[in-house]
Amino acid sequence: GAVVSQHPSWVICKSGTSVKIECRSLDFQATTMFWYRQFPKQSLMLMATSNEGSKATYEQGVEKDKFLINHASLTLSTLTVTSAHPEDSSFYICSASSGAVPYNEQFFGPGTRLTVL
Amino acid sequence: GESVGLHLPTLSVQEGDNSIINCAYSNSASDYFIWYKQESGKGPQFIIDIRSNMDKRQGQRVTVLLNKTVKHLSLQIAATQPGDSAVYFCAESGGSEKLVFGKGTKLTVNP
Repeated sequence: GAVVSQHPSWVICKSGTSVKIECRSLDFQATTMFWYRQFPKQSLMLMATSNEGSKATYEQGVEKDKFLINHASLTLSTLTVTSAHPEDSSFYICSASSGAVPYNEQFFGPGTRLTVL
Repeated sequence: GESVGLHLPTLSVQEGDNSIINCAYSNSASDYFIWYKQESGKGPQFIIDIRSNMDKRQGQRVTVLLNKTVKHLSLQIAATQPGDSAVYFCAESGGSEKLVFGKGTKLTVNP
């Protein structure tokens, strides 16, 4: 099956610093990648959708200048949390889709646990 | 707006029993539904999906039922095992690539 990886799996940083999270599709080309955020005991909330070579589309309420998304290739998307604060501490999950119709199945990564001190 | 919700936030069953996890959705335009299993500290794992032109779909020990009349989705797990303990999410999609996730049900299987 399609495999999606994330790096790092966990990260601890100081308030005010920036953190980059990578999402890679290992055995398929992902035309679209999605970034989700999940707080403890809550559901996944979509943050943004990114298509290779174009700007990401952010969901309402998500600050695009704070959560920078780059989808430079068909196998890699990055999420950078800029000037991180403790309230940004969360579980960040990416997913990737090959764009195959009609199902557009999303394959999820293992998640990245971000803790901001 | 779109919303996908679950009736029960927690479910506790005995090993060997059947489990039923329910989900309600409000977007009548949704045409694709998926159940995911999420273990602690991990990403969602695909279990089974169903399209709106079907009422029932079966997998290995799992069955998904879709009732479009009342906008209800359920996941049935037969002979529940301790390894089935996790949080289960339904998700729906309609006309776009985006998925909308439900609130989740935590399933606990007691030995």
